[in-house]
Amino acid sequence: AQSVAQPEDQVNVAEGNPLTVKCTYSVSGNPYLFWYVQYPNRGLQFLLKYITGDNLVKGSYGFEAEFNKSQTSFHLKKPSALVSDSALYFCAVRDIGGGATNKLIFGTGTLLAVQP
Amino acid sequence: DAGVIQSPRHEVTEMGQEVTLRCKPISGHDYLFWYRQTMMRGLELLIYFNNNVPIDDSGMPEDRFSAKMPNASFSTLKIQPSEPRDSAVYFCASSRLNEQYFGPGTRLTVT
Repeated sequence: AQSVAQPEDQVNVAEGNPLTVKCTYSVSGNPYLFWYVQYPNRGLQFLLKYITGDNLVKGSYGFEAEFNKSQTSFHLKKPSALVSDSALYFCAVRDIGGGATNKLIFGTGTLLAVQP
Repeated sequence: DAGVIQSPRHEVTEMGQEVTLRCKPISGHDYLFWYRQTMMRGLELLIYFNNNVPIDDSGMPEDRFSAKMPNASFSTLKIQPSEPRDSAVYFCASSRLNEQYFGPGTRLTVT
């Protein structure tokens, strides 16, 4: 069965420093991987996705993610964190069980706190 | 595009009352998903539709919950009767290719 794991409940980083939010996955076959961000009292917003191609995927708000097949990871990164990046981040994988479907399996979320 | 539209944004009701949440997906999207989010349980998928047909409702917690999608531009999630433990934020999301786009959510409080 497909799954994703976000090993950190919270990540703290100082403004201006690089940030990494970790995600590992377990899938049969080629993974379709996604990152979402949720700001307080808002819905989840799509940041980026990996389907195929270049292992480094660029997304919204300066975020990028690196797909690593050997480590089964899809970590979210940003070179320089902003206080406004403080939010809840979700990793997700497309569920391929039962045939073609757009159903996503979400991780438990990582709270990113950027200190000024 | 206006994105996914949900109404109401906030709902406060008393235990035992019927609650109906509404969703308008993005035009052209053929998948629609209903989620529930709480601090204790995180984000849970309740049910999803493809081309207006329910595909998987295994996440619907009880028979008190029901969902319909009478056409491509409208879906409802109904709770009858409501209970305090149903208090949560309910999200609707729609999709055409791979990624899902979420609405702003309905915050339900059952007293």
